[in-house]
Amino acid sequence: DIQMTQSPSSLSASVGDRVTVTCRASQSISSYLNWYQHKPGKAPKLLIYAASILLSGVPSRFSGSGSGTDFTLTISSLQPEDFATYYCQQSYSTLTFGGGTKVEIK
Amino acid sequence: EVQLVESGGGLVKPGGSLRLSCAASGFNFSNVWMSWVRQAPGKGLEWVGRIKSKTDGETADYAAPVKGRFTISREDSRNTLYLLMNSLKTEDTAVYSCTTDWAIYGHTNWGQGTLVTVSS
Repeated sequence: DIQMTQSPSSLSASVGDRVTVTCRASQSISSYLNWYQHKPGKAPKLLIYAASILLSGVPSRFSGSGSGTDFTLTISSLQPEDFATYYCQQSYSTLTFGGGTKVEIK
Repeated sequence: EVQLVESGGGLVKPGGSLRLSCAASGFNFSNVWMSWVRQAPGKGLEWVGRIKSKTDGETADYAAPVKGRFTISREDSRNTLYLLMNSLKTEDTAVYSCTTDWAIYGHTNWGQGTLVTVSS
């Protein structure tokens, strides 16, 4: 199975900060990479698919980039509603999630 | 509105079995691939397995930790997805959620989940 490694596992940031989360695949997955936002008590929400395509309705402050083995999720200006845990997931082969990155209030 | 409602969770002893159900509504269930995803207490998301639509062969794939123990099936006439879990281990303790599965495009709809606790 393809292993997905996210970093950092957690970070503290302030409203308005630019936040970057990294996801690395154990082998090339082309652009078959999705990003999810998960808040406690709620269902995870798909934000980005195919590494960089925002789902309809997702704020433009979210962006994704990368291909091959290295990927990035960026929040350009962190908002109060963005504090959550973010997961990457590869869909190149048998699906696997990264370990998650918890974005907390500084 | 898409709705996914899981049921069937509970407390089971190691080595035991349990069957979860997921009732779907608000979309054409028979045409959609479906997945199960779990989250153990204090841990991250873990994909469990998926089943394709009948038109795509209704085949199932599983994550390595559950392969050979778990079976996913679907009953399109009832708009229901199932997860049969055998030979349960303590490490299978988690909230299990069903999701729509758009293959390379990800999981767009999720249920709220049902808790499975494996403990003696």
